[in-house]
Amino acid sequence: LAKTTQPISMDSYEGQEVNITCSHNNIATNDYITWYQQFPSQGPRFIIQGYKTKVTNEVASLFIPADRKSSTLSLPRVSLSDTAVYYCLVGDGRYSTLTFGKGTMLLVSP
Amino acid sequence: ETGVTQTPRHLVMGMTNKKSLKCEQHLGHNAMYWYKQSAKKPLELMFVYSLEERVENNSVPSRFSPECPNSSHLFLHLHTLQPEDSALYLCASSQVTGGNTEAFFGQGTRLTVV
Repeated sequence: LAKTTQPISMDSYEGQEVNITCSHNNIATNDYITWYQQFPSQGPRFIIQGYKTKVTNEVASLFIPADRKSSTLSLPRVSLSDTAVYYCLVGDGRYSTLTFGKGTMLLVSP
Repeated sequence: ETGVTQTPRHLVMGMTNKKSLKCEQHLGHNAMYWYKQSAKKPLELMFVYSLEERVENNSVPSRFSPECPNSSHLFLHLHTLQPEDSALYLCASSQVTGGNTEAFFGQGTRLTVV
């Protein structure tokens, strides 16, 4: 099971772009990279998933370098409501790979 | 609305009580999960069911007993709990296919053991 490492916390201001990097040095060939967002007292919410290069949706972008040993979640122009914990998961879709680490607590200030 | 519904949203129970948490998914998924999240701690995966069979049990105490009668419903039966079991209990479902790690979570049950 690929282990992930993220910063414990990050601070930003409204309107800024935020980049959260996740390290996953022992990622396997069949593994995908998935990011979730969690607000207090709520279940996590899927944000984005990718395998390589760049993926973009209406919420975020995910950048994955060629060696796939890390990934960066990019949130454009954050607002106060983006204050949450962000989790990076790596897995091939099997049940046990839905294991969450400590995540990154993002605090967006006015 | 995620398609995963948990009831009740809040529960207070004594250490000698027996209660059950319920989870229902309307997404046609083939796997369901129970997670526990204590205050300021990461989510802990408790149980995983696939096609109504338990495939993983992460060393959870026997006072927690899961049940999956069909692919849409998941229960967590609770008995003789301890105060340290107070936490947010989250249910999730996913469609297990190659590479898909997208899960949908319910709103959770906030459990307080007194």
